[in-house]
Amino acid sequence: SQQGEEDPQALSIQEGENATMNCSYKTSINNLQWYRQNSGRGLVHLILIRSNEREKHSGRLRVTLDTSKKSSSLLITASRAADTASYFCATGTRNSEKLVFGKGTKLTVNP
Amino acid sequence: DVKVTQSSRYLVKRTGEKVFLECVQDMDHENMFWYRQDPGLGLRLIYFSYDVKMKEKGDIPEGYSVSREKKERFSLILESASTNQTSMYLCASSGRFNQPQHFGDGTRLSIL
Repeated sequence: SQQGEEDPQALSIQEGENATMNCSYKTSINNLQWYRQNSGRGLVHLILIRSNEREKHSGRLRVTLDTSKKSSSLLITASRAADTASYFCATGTRNSEKLVFGKGTKLTVNP
Repeated sequence: DVKVTQSSRYLVKRTGEKVFLECVQDMDHENMFWYRQDPGLGLRLIYFSYDVKMKEKGDIPEGYSVSREKKERFSLILESASTNQTSMYLCASSGRFNQPQHFGDGTRLSIL
């Protein structure tokens, strides 16, 4: 069952620009997590935001969560070529250990 | 740092073979997961385990089984491999209560 849906599916920007990716979900959540996947590798956890939080920062990453709209956004500031990867959101609920992943946004940062 | 190790990066097997994919984690995590990842379909959960010898079906368990005899090891078994099981398989582990999941590098499995 797919819960999170990322938007856009693909994004191409120049180095130094900001990249914004969005995630929408359907049911109540306990937390929302963002992951990154380099081509041919496993996913790496970036940031977790709880349902009672509105914004969280980690280095060049900024995540917002709007539970009334059931949406989240991931902002990468001052992007670098090394940020080229696919980015996934995943939602967790209170009564399950499972996460439900979206299909991802493929980000390309051109040097 | 958490390390999740999958036994093979690439694997080629024949239709009808029994295939074992192994995953080991070193952080004493209670939860372990098996996903498959296909273009356009994202990550889909096959099975997960929340304790030794405990398992729960995910979204696409058909054609697969799992084994967790020790806390650190979670095996995915393709009982009789078919070509539609050609995919990237990802193993992950996590602590309890929706903790972040830590992934292995994946096994790209081809069934010929």
